[in-house]
Amino acid sequence: DTGVSQDPRHKITKRGQNVTFRCDPISEHNRLYWYRQTLGQGPEFLTYFQNEAQLEKSRLLSDRFSAERPKGSFSTLEIQRTEQGDSAMYLCASSSEDSLNTEAFFGQGTRLTVV
Amino acid sequence: AQKVTQAQTEISVVEKEDVTLDCVYETRDTTYYLFWYKQPPSGELVFLIRRNSFDEQNEISGRYSWNFQKSTSSFNFTITASQVVDSAVYFCALSGGGTSYGKLTFGQGTILTVHP
Repeated sequence: DTGVSQDPRHKITKRGQNVTFRCDPISEHNRLYWYRQTLGQGPEFLTYFQNEAQLEKSRLLSDRFSAERPKGSFSTLEIQRTEQGDSAMYLCASSSEDSLNTEAFFGQGTRLTVV
Repeated sequence: AQKVTQAQTEISVVEKEDVTLDCVYETRDTTYYLFWYKQPPSGELVFLIRRNSFDEQNEISGRYSWNFQKSTSSFNFTITASQVVDSAVYFCALSGGGTSYGKLTFGQGTILTVHP
C-alpha cells in the first residue's frame, strides 16, 4: 500500500466554478478525514467518515461544501461556486478504528487556488 | 472545546544544537490523545508520536524525546543534536477518545530552521 493518495495535487480555478477533489485512503482503514490548511496555520477539521457514514461536519463546512464516501472506499470533496477564501490546502487522512486506534495517516494534499 | 497552543512561531538553531518545541493543550475530556506531526516543504504531514492521557511516561526515539505533563497540560518535543533535515513545520495536535478519536485539533505550528 502506498499510503493515502489525493488527486489532483494542484488545482487553479476561477471564482464561481465548482471543483472536486478525490482521496483514496489506505485500503484497510475505515475512517477518513478531511482537513483544510491555510498558509501559516495548522490544519482545521472539516468532516469525517466511518465507512460510508459521514459522522461529523465542522461549522467551517458551508453549504457549498459536500463530501461523500460511497461504499466506504475513496472519498470526494466538492466545493460549489468557489470563492477566493476557499484557497487553501485540502488534506485527507485515514485511520483504522479496529487496530487499537492507530494514528491518522495524511495524504500530500490538494492545493486549491481560486483566482 | 479543545485547544492547542504552540507559542513559538519560529525557531532558528545551528546544527547540533538541542531544541525544544512547546505545546500546551486544553480539553475537558478525561480520555484524550496527543500527537506530534512534522510537515516538510513537500506538504505531507508525517506522524511522529501519539500519547494517551493515561500514559505520562516520557519517550525517547533516537534524537527525539517527548515530555508529557498532565499537571501543566503540556506535551513538549525535544530534538537533540539537530540536523538540517529536521527543518520543517512541527504541529502538536489533540484528539478525544471514542468516536472523536482521529478528529484532530492542531496548534498553529512551529517553523524550525536548522542552519548548517
